[in-house]
Amino acid sequence: DVKVTQSSRYLVKRTGEKVFLECVQDMDHENMFWYRQDPGLGLRLIYFSYDVKMKEKGDIPEGYSVSREKKERFSLILESASTNQTSMYLCASSPWRSDEQYFGPGTRLTVT
Amino acid sequence: AQSVTQPDIHITVSEGASLELRCNYSYGATPYLFWYVQSPGQGLQLLLKYFSGDTLVQGIKGFEAEFKRSQSSFNLRKPSVHWSDAAEYFCAVGAGLTGGGNKLTFGTGTQLKVEL
Repeated sequence: DVKVTQSSRYLVKRTGEKVFLECVQDMDHENMFWYRQDPGLGLRLIYFSYDVKMKEKGDIPEGYSVSREKKERFSLILESASTNQTSMYLCASSPWRSDEQYFGPGTRLTVT
Repeated sequence: AQSVTQPDIHITVSEGASLELRCNYSYGATPYLFWYVQSPGQGLQLLLKYFSGDTLVQGIKGFEAEFKRSQSSFNLRKPSVHWSDAAEYFCAVGAGLTGGGNKLTFGTGTQLKVEL
């Protein structure tokens, strides 16, 4: 079974802090994705990566950056957390040339 | 650009009743279509997918969906709902096997409540 893990289920940070959300997949997938999920808005793509050290902006990249130094790991970085970044963050991965994505359990981030 | 509309934000059904969740998509070519389910506090789990071929696809947990090109729809159905089906359901469309970083576009979700 494909397994996508996220470093924390719940996280509370203060405004202005630098926040790292980590995602690891164990199926050697090339593609990895970061989404945020908000009520009534569904899932919105923040960034994705189709190879090590490669990244592409999604629909809402502002205020976020990403890092992919190893194939299995994709990190989402909030350089200076703000209260409007309070949300559920979901990581996903998929094989090369496949649309079928596998999701992690999510990290619920609260910024106070 | 591709888009997905799930017109029902909330649906309530009685246990044992039939269920249909609506999904309409917009995409210029043959779409790759998915339904995902999210239980409270969990990530998304794939229920079923349509790539090509038979327009009626079967998924896990007794769900099925029918692709209707003429209506740009991919509605999810279940003949008899169980209380454990209470969750949020997301429809998604993809562009197909176009290369790396294939993106999905998700609908805003339908929250299903099951009354006992």
